[in-house]
Amino acid sequence: DTGVSQDPRHKITKRGQNVTFRCDPISEHNRLYWYRQTLGQGPEFLTYFQNEAQLEKSRLLSNRFSAERPKGSFSTLEIQRTEQGDSAMYLCASSPGRGEQFFGPGTRLTVL
Amino acid sequence: QKEVEQNSGPLSVPEGAIASLNCTYSDRVSQSFFWYRQYSGKSPELIMSIYSNGDKEDGRFTAQLNKASQYVSLLIRDSQPSDSATYLCAGGFTGNQFYFGTGTSLTVIP
Repeated sequence: DTGVSQDPRHKITKRGQNVTFRCDPISEHNRLYWYRQTLGQGPEFLTYFQNEAQLEKSRLLSNRFSAERPKGSFSTLEIQRTEQGDSAMYLCASSPGRGEQFFGPGTRLTVL
Repeated sequence: QKEVEQNSGPLSVPEGAIASLNCTYSDRVSQSFFWYRQYSGKSPELIMSIYSNGDKEDGRFTAQLNKASQYVSLLIRDSQPSDSATYLCAGGFTGNQFYFGTGTSLTVIP
């Protein structure tokens, strides 16, 4: 399968814990995006990488969120000191350019 | 003001009919637009991209972009029950941020 993969698919954690999600993009895509989606809403942009450089980050994003893309391949999204409001589907997408994005299956986070 | 807005519907059409989905955008959004389909419990799937004023056709789908009126639409011809899903409009913002609408729920009735 050469699509975007995400791990884990589901994560249940207690409030205050840290969580980390991984995204493996389509290998030839140098652009990678992270989104958050809650029920009844469209995906909300979180951050964008071109190769290993993080070029955009939503100004609405809490400083508890951090993302990396070492070596321009896979990416990780970490949420520190999780809150119940962080419960959502976290989506990763990769792109060959021109904005066309291909989404992974997502990681569903539940914060108890 | 939200950068991209959609009528959340729901929209119901009979099988074989044309489904029309609409999206408006603010002038902060750049000129690249995308339509995604999202089945319940699944991630968004790219259907169409449109960058220029006018129409773009791909099979049963036609995307229309009207820059003067700041709207983009998606027409689905010969609608099938398998087209029942939520359709998301997205616009690319300069600086590589993308804004999605809240989605329009479409049901195609057999």
